[in-house]
Amino acid sequence: DAGVTQSPTHLIKTRGQHVTLRCSPISGHKSVSWYQQVLGQGPQFIFQYYEKEERGRGNFPDRFSARQFPNYSSELNVNALLLGDSALYLCASVGLAGAVTDTQYFGPGTRLTVL
Amino acid sequence: AQSVAQPEDQVNVAEGNPLTVKCTYSVSGNPYLFWYVQYPNRGLQFLLKYITGDNLVKGSYGFEAEFNKSQTSFHLKKPSALVSDSALYFCAVRVRGAGNMLTFGGGTRLMVKP
Repeated sequence: DAGVTQSPTHLIKTRGQHVTLRCSPISGHKSVSWYQQVLGQGPQFIFQYYEKEERGRGNFPDRFSARQFPNYSSELNVNALLLGDSALYLCASVGLAGAVTDTQYFGPGTRLTVL
Repeated sequence: AQSVAQPEDQVNVAEGNPLTVKCTYSVSGNPYLFWYVQYPNRGLQFLLKYITGDNLVKGSYGFEAEFNKSQTSFHLKKPSALVSDSALYFCAVRVRGAGNMLTFGGGTRLMVKP
């Protein structure tokens, strides 16, 4: 089975623009989480989605939004990009939402550079 | 709120020697603890987790970790380091009621020299 896939791999945007990042979870997994990893730091939780509903949100501004589709894939949208949004954006999939014992499996990430 | 501390930015070991990467945590309630490894320009790869039971957890690639409740620690260990183990290691914690949210430490870079 394929693992978590993310697209695009790399992206360069300018300040003020909008970006959409995409994620497909492992087949059979219904929950997707998004994390932001700034260079030199650990990942920070942004969102969790399960069955198309938001189940958790981290401490990020409203410029960040996400959605999950019926096939369990997900999009992360960021509006009005700032230089500080430059980071590696990671998507993780897990079988069920709220199952604290389940392992989250991460995709390769999308490297966003804001100029 | 939960937090994770990895007190060492970098750990240097010689190939063949044992390695330890330290992690301490702070949570309200029972912790569920995880270790991930990240190679350059890659996502996070799962190594092992502690949920309950035996305090010594064995994981992938010969790694193991010891859960110590009294010291609130979950140190990653390997008896004999390989050069290919050189990477960035992250400790993470999750608690019941927080959904799937993982709280990560800042990471420790492991350098294994031949």
